[in-house]
Amino acid sequence: AQTVTQSQPEMSVQEAETVTLSCTYDTSESDYYLFWYKQPPSRQMILVIRQEAYKQQNATENRFSVNFQKAAKSFSLKISDSQLGDAAMYFCALSGGYQKVTFGIGTKLQVIP
Amino acid sequence: EAGVAQSPRYKIIEKRQSVAFWCNPISGHATLYWYQQILGQGPKLLIQFQNNGVVDDSQLPKDRFSAERLKGVDSTLKIQPAKLEDSAVYLCASRTTGGTDTQYFGPGTRLTVL
Repeated sequence: AQTVTQSQPEMSVQEAETVTLSCTYDTSESDYYLFWYKQPPSRQMILVIRQEAYKQQNATENRFSVNFQKAAKSFSLKISDSQLGDAAMYFCALSGGYQKVTFGIGTKLQVIP
Repeated sequence: EAGVAQSPRYKIIEKRQSVAFWCNPISGHATLYWYQQILGQGPKLLIQFQNNGVVDDSQLPKDRFSAERLKGVDSTLKIQPAKLEDSAVYLCASRTTGGTDTQYFGPGTRLTVL
């Protein structure tokens, strides 16, 4: 079985500041993908960033970057220069064997103007 | 490229009634997922299709839920009879075979069971 744990139900950040969302996971697979998805109040889930487990280099997408610690099974998301549009639920997800995807319970991010 | 389409967007029914949701994935995407997202929780996988075959339905309450993807393209998810605890958003997602494992989600159907 694979599990994903997000221990921060809610986070807040001042506009233009940096925030880090935490995620830990467990899997017996050696080959897997990790994702951060964003779900704004409209509820359409969109991909923020993706990390292949076999890659040691941390993924980055503009203001979004991850800190992937494979041995610790940790996968945190850093949002730099936070913007009002970043306010949303953020879900960490793991795709393992047979492309089965497991989501965490989410972290609600509030951006304060 | 058109995204994942779902309908209806909202549905209100009374308990013990039946309801069906429809999903049309991105063209060419062989894998299709149905998730249940209860308010305040992360999406929970109900069923995963690869073309028209079921890969994983271990968390589908089969006494009341059913899903099909007869031609390997669009899919329907049915609940019969509905219970109060089925109130949730039902998300459909699709992904292509191979590649980066990225799922693309539809807008979801919000179901309210009274």
